[in-house]
This record gives sequence, C-alpha cells and structure tokens, in this order.
Amino acid sequence: AQSVTQLDSHVSVSEGTPVLLRCNYSSSYSPSLFWYVQHPNKGLQLLLKYTSAATLVKGINGFEAEFKKSETSFHLTKPSAHMSDAAEYFCVVRANTGTASKLTFGTGTRLQVTL
Amino acid sequence: KAGVTQTPRYLIKTRGQQVTLSCSPISGHRSVSWYQQTPGQGLQFLFEYFSETQRNKGNFPGRFSGRQFSNSRSEMNVSTLELGDSALYLCASSTPGGPSEQFFGPGTRLTVL
Repeated sequence: AQSVTQLDSHVSVSEGTPVLLRCNYSSSYSPSLFWYVQHPNKGLQLLLKYTSAATLVKGINGFEAEFKKSETSFHLTKPSAHMSDAAEYFCVVRANTGTASKLTFGTGTRLQVTL
Repeated sequence: KAGVTQTPRYLIKTRGQQVTLSCSPISGHRSVSWYQQTPGQGLQFLFEYFSETQRNKGNFPGRFSGRQFSNSRSEMNVSTLELGDSALYLCASSTPGGPSEQFFGPGTRLTVL
C-alpha cells in the first residue's frame, strides 16, 4: 500500500519569500515521487519527479524537492515566491511494481502568495 | 507535440442518465489513466488502460467503466448517474512502464443535476 500526507492544506507567503510545502509518504516498495501543480480551471502540470537517482530534484519554475528516506519526506521548496505560483500543489506517489502506473495523490496544499 | 485532449470540456446531465467522456493521449503514448477530482474526496484513481486492456482499477462501483481503442484513444462511461458523480474527470497518458511521468489533460467538468 502507498499513501502521501500533505501536512498543510493551506500555505500563505509574501511575494519574494521562501516557499515550503510539506509532504510525507508511505510505500511498501521503492517509490517514485512527484509534485504536480494545478492552476484554477486547469489540468495538472508536473513540477518535478524523484525516481531513485539524485535525492535533490530540481524542477520547473525554480522549484526543487529533497527525497529523505529516513524521514519519509519529499518537501517542495522555492527560494522566492512569485505571484504566479499561487495554485494548488499535489504530492504524488507511485509504487514501482510491474508496469502499473497508478498514482496516489495527497489532498493538496493551496498556496497563496500576497504582495 | 500536441498534449492530451479531452472532450467535451463541460457536460451537464441529470440523475439516471449515462455519459461518455473521451480522451486522446499524446502521440506515441500507449497508457491512459483516468482520475476523478472532487472537493470532498480529492483526486482518486479510476482505472488505467494499456494496449486496449485494463491493467489497474481503483475502488469505484461498476457503473464506472472504460475502454481503449487500437489508436490508444480512451473513453470512460458512467451509467445511472448520481449527484455525487459531479466532478472533474482527468485523463493522463504516459509511455508504458518505468518511472515515467503522466501528462494530464485539461479535464471534463461533469455536473449531475
């Protein structure tokens, strides 16, 4: 079984300040982990993915995440928030078993960016 | 390269009716997955198709079904609609196997009255 827990349902930051969105995972197998972003009335866009290579993963738009096996965490960070970062962010896990591609989503974190 | 397309984008149905949603994957992608997104339950996996075969299924009643055609296009059908089926239905395509990412379409917003 696999699951993800996003520790904050809502995060508010000022423009130009750092962003931290927290995610803990649980997986019986070696997982692949992803962060997706969803802007209002839009589909999901992949920000970054961890697939058992480097533990520090860099994504698009200045986002990065660090895989910490000892803490079962995969937190998303960005040094400086921009107004356009306001959206819903989903932490996602996929067990690498066979060829199945089922994704398990966290409940999402809504990021608000203020002036 | 064109992205994942879903039709229609918006749909309004009444209880008891049935509905069919369509998804065209990215060219060359053979795996198609469907997800339901609601405010209460979040994003939940419905099923995955690969080479016209369902190879993974989520915990949804039998009213939810799908299929995939030889050109990898997929359809999802919901019969005997209930109010709780109102949701955003997202389709994602990927290359098969391995830790490949899934590319999502814009979704179909289904409203059941």
